[in-house]
Amino acid sequence: NAGVTQTPKFRILKIGQSMTLQCTQDMNHNYMYWYRQDPGMGLKLIYYSVGAGITDKGEVPNGYNVSRSTTEDFPLRLELAAPSQTSVYFCASSNYEQYFGPGTRLTVT
Amino acid sequence: AQSVTQLGSHVSVSEGALVLLRCNYSSSVPPYLFWYVQYPNQGLQLLLKYTSAATLVKGINGFEAEFKKSETSFHLTKPSAHMSDAAEYFCAVSDQNNAGNMLTFGGGTRLMVKP
Repeated sequence: NAGVTQTPKFRILKIGQSMTLQCTQDMNHNYMYWYRQDPGMGLKLIYYSVGAGITDKGEVPNGYNVSRSTTEDFPLRLELAAPSQTSVYFCASSNYEQYFGPGTRLTVT
Repeated sequence: AQSVTQLGSHVSVSEGALVLLRCNYSSSVPPYLFWYVQYPNQGLQLLLKYTSAATLVKGINGFEAEFKKSETSFHLTKPSAHMSDAAEYFCAVSDQNNAGNMLTFGGGTRLMVKP
């Protein structure tokens, strides 16, 4: 099992560009999550999904969108990148325990 | 609403010394509590969790934590630090113990181990 995989590992965006962060899990978990991690702030929940076709906002959803067309995939979309979105992004899936991917380090300049 | 406070964003100990990482929580319902570890450039990994069974919880790599309701605390300890314990540690709280538990994280504590 690969667990939770995320691509890309690193990305630099210019202000106003868009991109999609990919997340895939092979554990057949219904629940999936996107977090951002800023220094000293812990992890903040952006969006989550309780199953294919169902998504909901977390604590900090502004500037992001998600979709969940399959159980395995949960991509996060940034439409108009802003410097405030510079962060490390983690995807997780859950079956009583949350399993985290290795993260995507995003810089917006 | 729930919240987690981790006292000390950085903790430094000598190899072989006691590790104590502090976590206090706020919750209006009986909490479920977690400690995660993050090694450099990696995702978070579950160390241990409290789910209302035993108040002293043992985890991986020799870590343990004790739930103290009267102090609203869930401090993480290890009797003897090893160089490989250097990492960032996150305490988290949930009001659920099910497949889709929503976690609220503390700000993290970076543990440094000196030789």
